Amino acid sequence: EVQLVESGGGLVQPGGSLRLSCTASGFTFSTYPMHWVRQAPGKGLEYVSAISSNGADTYYANSVRGRFTISRDNSKNTLFLQMGSLRTEDMAVYYCARQPGAYDIWGQGTMVTVSS
Amino acid sequence: DIVVTQSPDSLAVSLGERATITCKSSQSVLYRSDNKNYLAWYQQKPGQPPKLLISWASTRESGVPDRFSGSGSGTDFTLTISSLQAEDVAVYHCQQYYSTPYAFGQGTKLEIK
Repeated sequence: EVQLVESGGGLVQPGGSLRLSCTASGFTFSTYPMHWVRQAPGKGLEYVSAISSNGADTYYANSVRGRFTISRDNSKNTLFLQMGSLRTEDMAVYYCARQPGAYDIWGQGTMVTVSS
Repeated sequence: DIVVTQSPDSLAVSLGERATITCKSSQSVLYRSDNKNYLAWYQQKPGQPPKLLISWASTRESGVPDRFSGSGSGTDFTLTISSLQAEDVAVYHCQQYYSTPYAFGQGTKLEIK
């Protein structure tokens, strides 16, 4: 079964850091660009970051550039999002998604809560 | 950056009736070299991740009922549900994947009247 499973979410204080992981199974992970998308409570979807299939190219939304770092380990079929200098406005469910064109496979999401 | 705008924000339609959602991008998402519109539609039910319904503006994903259809080109697009069923209650999102950041519309909440 083609699947993405996120982990690493939780409660963090403003200014803190957190690393999210997304583990892929059921497909050749190394051949797909991968993305992170977030959704604040009751809000719409927001593009966060993307990485090319070999990890050479990365992209960030203006709202997270300089604070978040996307990476991947193709030997472990895992995507990462290192989040730093977290703000209350970063609080959201974070989804990873596979991107052959549109986002055809999504994980179930992991919740990040930023609060003191 | 391309901005994507959906309308309406919410919509109530009777069972069996047609539902129409529109999506407008601030720049064309038609890629001339392959003549494809880089525009997708997703369905999101409460507590679930989004599900891809339509890619390339009009190509239904496998398993998506044929009452769902997408149309449009360039900057103006439409998602139509020809005969609303109870299970179609959801939030619908459009997204351009022509250029990063791959922006989403704000979402349209579809309810039963």
